[in-house]
Amino acid sequence: GENVEQHPSTLSVQEGDSAVIKCTYSDSASNYFPWYKQELGKRPQLIIDIRSNVGEKKDQRIAVTLNKTAKHFSLHITETQPEDSAVYFCAASNQAGTALIFGKGTTLSVSS
Amino acid sequence: DAGVIQSPRHEVTEMGQEVTLRCKPISGHDYLFWYRQTMMRGLELLIYFNNNVPIDDSGMPEDRFSAKMPNASFSTLKIQPSEPRDSAVYFCASSTQYGNSYNEQFFGPGTRLTVL
Repeated sequence: GENVEQHPSTLSVQEGDSAVIKCTYSDSASNYFPWYKQELGKRPQLIIDIRSNVGEKKDQRIAVTLNKTAKHFSLHITETQPEDSAVYFCAASNQAGTALIFGKGTTLSVSS
Repeated sequence: DAGVIQSPRHEVTEMGQEVTLRCKPISGHDYLFWYRQTMMRGLELLIYFNNNVPIDDSGMPEDRFSAKMPNASFSTLKIQPSEPRDSAVYFCASSTQYGNSYNEQFFGPGTRLTVL
């Protein structure tokens, strides 16, 4: 079945710097790649997603890139702010396209 | 819509007791997922349903865990008997295969379970 690897597990940056989180997946049939943000004690919430027919997608300070040949996708956050501090999860759809397999998460800390 | 609703929000029980977690998905969503989140294992998919039918329960850790979806607006996850290692946050999520947000999963607030 699908396996999703996420790196790094922790990331510390200074306010204003960029942050990059990378994920790889194993199932070439995966076609949906969302990113979720989870603040302490809260539920995971979708921040951006990309589907396999698109290579890059941007929404204000966040962007996601997808390389289907290499089977990896990345989250880029520019001009980081303290409120970006959270755990970020990547996910990939299963072969049937009906469920998501999540990476282990990246704890991002943005210091001012 | 109120979003995905879960109850209880917190549950403290003693080892050996039965625990039932409840979930109401977003109206119109045809997929429902149960996840368990721990520091060690991250976010694990336990089981998911499509149109009230269980599709994949390979993530259910043991026979002590069972899940049902008797109708489109209600699902339960039951642990009997509970053990301290079951302590975790359990999330329910729902999604639809239709519309612009197909496949996007919406999470409930979670149930924090502590088994003493």
